[in-house]
Amino acid sequence: QSVLTQPPSASGTPGQRVSISCSGSSSNIGSINFNWYQQLPGTAPRLLIYNNDERPAGVPDRFSGSRSGTSASLAISGLQSDDEGDYYCAAWVESLSSRVFGGGTKLTVL
Amino acid sequence: EVQLVESGGALVQPGGSLRLSCAASGFTFSSYSMNWVRQAPGKGLEWVSYIGRGSSPIYYADSVKGRFTISRDDAKNSLYLQMSSLRDEDTAVYFCTRDSGKTAADDYWGQGTLVTVSS
Repeated sequence: QSVLTQPPSASGTPGQRVSISCSGSSSNIGSINFNWYQQLPGTAPRLLIYNNDERPAGVPDRFSGSRSGTSASLAISGLQSDDEGDYYCAAWVESLSSRVFGGGTKLTVL
Repeated sequence: EVQLVESGGALVQPGGSLRLSCAASGFTFSSYSMNWVRQAPGKGLEWVSYIGRGSSPIYYADSVKGRFTISRDDAKNSLYLQMSSLRDEDTAVYFCTRDSGKTAADDYWGQGTLVTVSS
């Protein structure tokens, strides 16, 4: 079982706003900062959000992140068909000296 | 333009060894920490190993500790992953990533190289 838990799937219609959660098991995580990645079909992952809520250059402001304690959320507004793919949260867990990824959430645009 | 190009993936028998390489360009390689991340067919992402600037510190996932060795050659702008005692469950696409230095976020990824462990 992953240290970071994501829902396996999410969906929305074009133009809608969707959120994807990432919950950390609090027993050994402590205070962590979350990053989010997007993986479109057949491509390498791409960094979407780092340090909980910051966007790298080139990432549209339709994508936003937030953190609350040992959990985080990725929100996508103005959903587009091109957003369909897999989304992963990730963090460095100091107590484990390990990077961890959530199991991933498959986003479907209906 | 930042580029990361992995190579070395192949079909290998269980118990065998393989060395992956990642050629970096478009940035000052020695100034960045690097990672290997893998993805089994149809599965999610799994972090494998981290190497800091100057080759320190080094960390491994428990699943590969004692079997895999990460290294780098800053003169050749290259990252390596020496894999030994390979198991079926090591079958995956292996990605080389650049650590941005900001909360362990990987800001650049290679396209990956496929390692298949099978008899």
